[in-house]
Amino acid sequence: DADVTQTPRNRITKTGKRIMLECSQTKGHDRMYWYRQDPGLGLRLIYYSFDVKDINKGEISDGYSVSRQAQAKFSLSLESAIPNQTALYFCASKSSGGAGELFFGEGSRLTVL
Amino acid sequence: GIQVEQSPPDLILQEGANSTLRCNFSDSVNNLQWFHQNPWGQLINLFYIPSGTKQNGRLSATTVATERYSLLYISSSQTTDSGVYFCAVVIGGTYKYIFGTGTRLKVLA
Repeated sequence: DADVTQTPRNRITKTGKRIMLECSQTKGHDRMYWYRQDPGLGLRLIYYSFDVKDINKGEISDGYSVSRQAQAKFSLSLESAIPNQTALYFCASKSSGGAGELFFGEGSRLTVL
Repeated sequence: GIQVEQSPPDLILQEGANSTLRCNFSDSVNNLQWFHQNPWGQLINLFYIPSGTKQNGRLSATTVATERYSLLYISSSQTTDSGVYFCAVVIGGTYKYIFGTGTRLKVLA
């Protein structure tokens, strides 16, 4: 099983619908991240969390919200999805402190019609 | 903000060839990682290399933090090496990873 698990892996929805992408990790990491990737581009940070009580906005947080339900779980919500939120979404986790690797989930491909 | 530039943006190789991918960053960083995104979209960790040199099979990487660049070497390339290679850096004091725009590699059989 993957250390960082995302669900769903693929989702097609309609404009205006509420969507939640879920992420869980078994690595015992404190830090969790949500990134978005658009075709031909790198990854852009949406939100990040350093622990259950610490949530921070990234570069492109507008239109998104997050919830850190537990150390191991970090979900991303689109309250009212729009077509330009069609993208590949990645969750990642990392141990606390400056050193240490970032580990990614397998990605959630979201299409908003 | 910090700029992370990767070169070349695109690279086509014949199987068996060697290549060097470069990552330049504009400010001091704490961490640096190289990732391979395969054709299925999965991001695979290649190297965690804030400084120094590491090797893993046909791949090796070198980071010279004082000169603000990192290099990824691929030797004897295989078709399975195709995909996009990203470097990502952590800005000093913030612990946020910033990604370059990647090098798209295609290895021809």
